[in-house]
Amino acid sequence: EAQVTQNPRYLITVTGKKLTVTCSQNMNHEYMSWYRQDPGLGLRQIYYSMNVEVTDKGDVPEGYKVSRKEKRNFPLILESPSPNQTSLYFCASRTVAGGINEQYFGPGTRLTVT
Amino acid sequence: LAKTTQPISMDSYEGQEVNITCSHNNIATNDYITWYQQFPSQGPRFIIQGYKTKVTNEVASLFIPADRKSSTLSLPRVSLSDTAVYYCLVGDSVGNTDKLIFGTGTRLQVFP
Repeated sequence: EAQVTQNPRYLITVTGKKLTVTCSQNMNHEYMSWYRQDPGLGLRQIYYSMNVEVTDKGDVPEGYKVSRKEKRNFPLILESPSPNQTSLYFCASRTVAGGINEQYFGPGTRLTVT
Repeated sequence: LAKTTQPISMDSYEGQEVNITCSHNNIATNDYITWYQQFPSQGPRFIIQGYKTKVTNEVASLFIPADRKSSTLSLPRVSLSDTAVYYCLVGDSVGNTDKLIFGTGTRLQVFP
């Protein structure tokens, strides 16, 4: 089944404790992105990647890091989480082939930083 | 990168046609327009994409005027299950960037 998976789905952590949220897609998609979603603010892009070893900042990159060492994986790293990073996070991927720019989203990771 | 503006919310009744309009005044020549649907606690789901004029698929139609400064998502004969948040999104089709701005979306409530 074609899908984007994220782990963990739920995470409660404390301020300053480094964490990684993994994202993997099995569709051989070139592009991948991370978003955060907060009430009243919609979806905001954190980082995106257009290829292996190619990443760039989205709208709200502060406090986050990403890497793209393999085509299928795009982990999101919070080196020193803070309470304002409490949010619902989505990973997405899409292909550049076919002319349809359809993003496939993962199920989301709900992060709470205390 | 074109910012999008949509109504915050809309109400409708089952069986009616719903039209949600999105404004994107600064759209570039090669930008595409897509619409997504999102249910609570789920990732958004692609509905439709267009560049100009009208596009129709099995679930919706997308109307884009000649100046492309707005677009309208049309949902025919909505049902209760269409209650969701709908996002308009403008993106770069040339491949220079995948930076995307979703906006706050339109919350559609369908009543029986």
